[in-house]
Amino acid sequence: AQTVTQSQPEMSVQEAETVTLSCTYDTSESDYYLFWYKQPPSRQMILVIRQEAYKQQNATENRFSVNFQKAAKSFSLKISDSQLGDAAMYFCAYRTTKGGSEKLVFGKGMKLTVNP
Amino acid sequence: DTGVSQNPRHKITKRGQNVTFRCDPISEHNRLYWYRQTLGQGPEFLTYFQNEAQLEKSRLLSDRFSAERPKGSFSTLEIQRTEQGDSAMYLCASSLGSRDSNQPQHFGDGTRLSIL
Repeated sequence: AQTVTQSQPEMSVQEAETVTLSCTYDTSESDYYLFWYKQPPSRQMILVIRQEAYKQQNATENRFSVNFQKAAKSFSLKISDSQLGDAAMYFCAYRTTKGGSEKLVFGKGMKLTVNP
Repeated sequence: DTGVSQNPRHKITKRGQNVTFRCDPISEHNRLYWYRQTLGQGPEFLTYFQNEAQLEKSRLLSDRFSAERPKGSFSTLEIQRTEQGDSAMYLCASSLGSRDSNQPQHFGDGTRLSIL
């Protein structure tokens, strides 16, 4: 079974600085999808960025980018120019492409604090 | 696009009672998912529907849990004979299924269940 590990339970960053959130996963598959979701306090989970494993190019969405290292099974999220609104729980998630499964496998999450 | 709607937002009940939650997906989304999230953990997959068909169920979904999506629109999740361990946030998500299966799942605000 696939697993997702987020080893840092909490991080903090100064406003306007850059922060990198780490995520590793375990799978025997060669094709899959990876996601970062953001869950602000008492608010719904929002997709931040996604990556297809067959694509070598790292995904980028405005201030958010990933460093996808397939051989190392690592999928880190970089937030540039951090803003107060980035404060949230961040979850890394994995989804297989096989067997019609649609389930997301999430890590435990990491709480990001942004200091003014 | 009104987003995924879940009702109620909070449910407090005594152990042994039955509870039912409702999820209204984003209109035209044919896929609907239920997850459970306990404190300090990432969401755990429970089940998934494509239209009215329940296509995938987790082993977490014991026989006390039942989910339906009778007309392929809204869904209900019922828990019978609730136990203390059922206390959690129950999240619903929906997506538009297509050949490009990497369509993101959009989450609702969740229903928080507290068992007394």
